Amino acid sequence: EPEVTQTPSHQVTQMGQEVILRCVPISNHLYFYWYRQILGQKVEFLVSFYNNEISEKSEIFDDQFSVERPDGSNFTLKIRSTKLEDSAMYFCASSEGISYEQYFGPGTRLTVT
Amino acid sequence: QKEVEQNSGPLSVPEGAIASLNCTYSDRGSQSFFWYRQYSGKSPELIMSIYSNGDKEDGRFTAQLNKASQYVSLLIRDSQPSDSATYLCAVNMAYSGAGSYQLTFGKGTKLSVIP
Repeated sequence: EPEVTQTPSHQVTQMGQEVILRCVPISNHLYFYWYRQILGQKVEFLVSFYNNEISEKSEIFDDQFSVERPDGSNFTLKIRSTKLEDSAMYFCASSEGISYEQYFGPGTRLTVT
Repeated sequence: QKEVEQNSGPLSVPEGAIASLNCTYSDRGSQSFFWYRQYSGKSPELIMSIYSNGDKEDGRFTAQLNKASQYVSLLIRDSQPSDSATYLCAVNMAYSGAGSYQLTFGKGTKLSVIP
């Protein structure tokens, strides 16, 4: 069964460093998403991506964040200068269409020290 | 403010019983509704989707939607200890512009099935 994959599973970085989180969405899906979940809190939408451009972004997704689809399979989230409060689980998801089921990857646990 | 509300629990049910999980949402224009299961430290796993009023059954799971009351529920029949997890209600709500919808999650209800 096709699934969303994410790497790395755990990333530890120092405050102010750049990190890139990687995702491979399900191959026939057209919409891609990033969410984050701070420990003990709810899953929060960050950004959606369709047709090689951002379709929506939340207030959390400020200028420190960017997304890219560098090739036909990968979808990346970059945080330019990490802050302590960026420590969270980051989930990638994909769907066949808008308002369709979204399937989540296993997540990347980001720890900023 | 677009919200999805769930009782955080914990909800404890004995093995074999029916677990009933509820969710309300604020946006009357919401299009689609999902239940995800999340084990501790893991990612949300889609278990049910529902798009129109009424009931939808899949195995031991039944999702119920009432758009007039802005209410979604999930019933788990014959609950098993392996069902112990946090259940997240997620609603596709109107976002920034016309035709724009994004998934908004509730905080989740923690279910504990007692053997």
